[in-house]
Amino acid sequence: AQSVTQLGSHVSVSEGALVLLRCNYSSSVPPYLFWYVQYPNQGLQLLLKYTSAATLVKGINGFEAEFKKSETSFHLTKPSAHMSDAAEYFCAVIGSPGGGNKLTFGTGTQLKVEL
Amino acid sequence: KAGVTQTPRYLIKTRGQQVTLSCSPISGHRSVSWYQQTPGQGLQFLFEYFSETQRNKGNFPGRFSGRQFSNSRSEMNVSTLELGDSALYLCASSLRGQGIDTQYFGPGTRLTVL
Repeated sequence: AQSVTQLGSHVSVSEGALVLLRCNYSSSVPPYLFWYVQYPNQGLQLLLKYTSAATLVKGINGFEAEFKKSETSFHLTKPSAHMSDAAEYFCAVIGSPGGGNKLTFGTGTQLKVEL
Repeated sequence: KAGVTQTPRYLIKTRGQQVTLSCSPISGHRSVSWYQQTPGQGLQFLFEYFSETQRNKGNFPGRFSGRQFSNSRSEMNVSTLELGDSALYLCASSLRGQGIDTQYFGPGTRLTVL
């Protein structure tokens, strides 16, 4: 069964600093990988997704992630953090591209951005 | 295009009662999935419906059920509520229900069981 592990339940960065949120996956088949963001009292918004077309995936709000098969990783990065990036971020996987779209989520990383 | 809508947004029930939550997907989307989010268990998949058929089901007791109508709107029902059912229930819709499709989430229904 596929799964994802997010390292670090809380990450704190200064405004303007690099954001790095870690996600490692486990899947017996080539996975589809996703990063979602959740702001307080809201649903989930898709930041980006990997569907095997390109290993470096660019998403919304300046975020990007690189799929590294050798490291089974899909870390999320942003060169310069903004106060508005403070939210909870979830990595998710679908391991069965052919049918169904059940997302298996990581435990989430709360990002805090400080002045 | 309107997003995924969920009603009601907030709900308070007591143990033993039952509850029905509603989800209206994005127009044209045929797949609707439901997730439960709690501080302790995180985000967990409940079930997925596609063209009125349940296609996939998570590891939840039979008290949790759902259905999908011909217009793709979906409802989920929880019977004999327990305190542990307090959670944010999220609905997501996608065009074809394929893994490559983007799933769009609604704002959720916050259920509190007293």
